[in-house]
Amino acid sequence: QKEVEQDPGPLSVPEGAIVSLNCTYSNSAFQYFMWYRQYSRKGPELLMYTYSSGNKEDGRFTAQVDKSSKYISLFIRDSQPSDSATYLCAMSLNTGGFKTIFGAGTRLFVKA
Amino acid sequence: GAGVSQTPSNKVTEKGKYVELRCDPISGHTALYWYRQSLGQGPEFLIYFQGTGAADDSGLPNDRFFAVRPEGSVSTLKIQRTERGDSAVYLCASSEGGRPDTQYFGPGTRLTVL
Repeated sequence: QKEVEQDPGPLSVPEGAIVSLNCTYSNSAFQYFMWYRQYSRKGPELLMYTYSSGNKEDGRFTAQVDKSSKYISLFIRDSQPSDSATYLCAMSLNTGGFKTIFGAGTRLFVKA
Repeated sequence: GAGVSQTPSNKVTEKGKYVELRCDPISGHTALYWYRQSLGQGPEFLIYFQGTGAADDSGLPNDRFFAVRPEGSVSTLKIQRTERGDSAVYLCASSEGGRPDTQYFGPGTRLTVL
């Protein structure tokens, strides 16, 4: 079993839809949770980050962490064609070297 | 300011050769990470530097891989006796103060081993 599981998709939605992206994890010691967006042949771009549990909102994006279920989510409201990309979840421990584990990424297509 | 830069953007080499990949982090960022990303996969952690020292090198796959950061800024990832399985995109990220939740990535170096 991988430490971080993420459905690879692809996920196809119409423009304006609410998108829900999710990851599950097995290590209850993870404390830092991140979401990255990656366009083809580009480096990952940091979208959202949270420490421990709770929700965080930034514009059209909302990140949620449910540590009791070992489940994190990213919601995108009013999705746009420019949101079409691969979304990567990532998480780290709060100790030592901050080794960061990434999910495999979910490919999202937003149709105009 | 400038983001993380990586050179070269593409590197093609032959099996058995030695390669060096360079990363220039964001100015003032003390933490630097190297990752490897294969097609259809997320980045795989290789090594983490805090300042000049490798705080966690548990992700380096074997002793053919080595990384340095002699002055606490620029880092070089070195791969000896390259193998076809080393072909991937090598990504570098940096963060301020070592917080793993604010890593900013460079564009990557695409390594192809023929």
